[in-house]
Amino acid sequence: QAVVTQEPSFSVSPGGTVTLTCGLSSGSVSTTYHPSWYQQTPGQAPRTLIYGTNTRSSGVPDRFSGSILGNKAALTITGAQADDESDYYCVLCMPSGIWVFGGGTKLTVL
Amino acid sequence: EVQLVESGGGLVQPGGSLRLSCAASGFTFSTYWMTWVRQAPGKGLEWVANINQDGSHKYYVDSVKGRFTVSRDNTKNSLYLHMNSLRAEDAAVYYCASVPPTVTTPAVFWGQGTLVAVSS
Repeated sequence: QAVVTQEPSFSVSPGGTVTLTCGLSSGSVSTTYHPSWYQQTPGQAPRTLIYGTNTRSSGVPDRFSGSILGNKAALTITGAQADDESDYYCVLCMPSGIWVFGGGTKLTVL
Repeated sequence: EVQLVESGGGLVQPGGSLRLSCAASGFTFSTYWMTWVRQAPGKGLEWVANINQDGSHKYYVDSVKGRFTVSRDNTKNSLYLHMNSLRAEDAAVYYCASVPPTVTTPAVFWGQGTLVAVSS
């Protein structure tokens, strides 16, 4: 089974910009994998940020954007705020129709 | 407002069975794909299974194939996960999620989750 890769951790300064990535252990991520991104704070259910590579879910501020960068899916956060400090997960749809989550990125805002 | 409320979690012995339910409201249930996602304590998210609108298509992660069955009752606006032969590694918070028509993603709306513990 394919492995979806994410940076284990990342830090960003308040007001700064950060790009988190989502790759495949073998091969390139493209829009055909329908990448989605989720945000989760401890003890809470996940929140959907982005689906279909770059469509923001309802209520998600435009500081969050999704794209394909090179051979990976990417989540960019601009103007980082303290409450952006969370775990971020990407998920990809494999050709078999199953979905595989990445291991998540712990984002620190400091 | 979309609401998803999971129930049925609890403590079960290894090898035992459990049925999780997810009660949906605030949307036309019969037009949405539905998904189960789990999260083991201190770990990341894991997609478990999903089911299409009329229940004719179901997909599972390899680790639960043959043990778990996803089903739905559109007359009751409810999603289910029947879990058999439970193992220690199945212990997790199980989230129910829904996906609107024409959207390709495992989850847009999420429930709050129900905890499954597997221990003797």
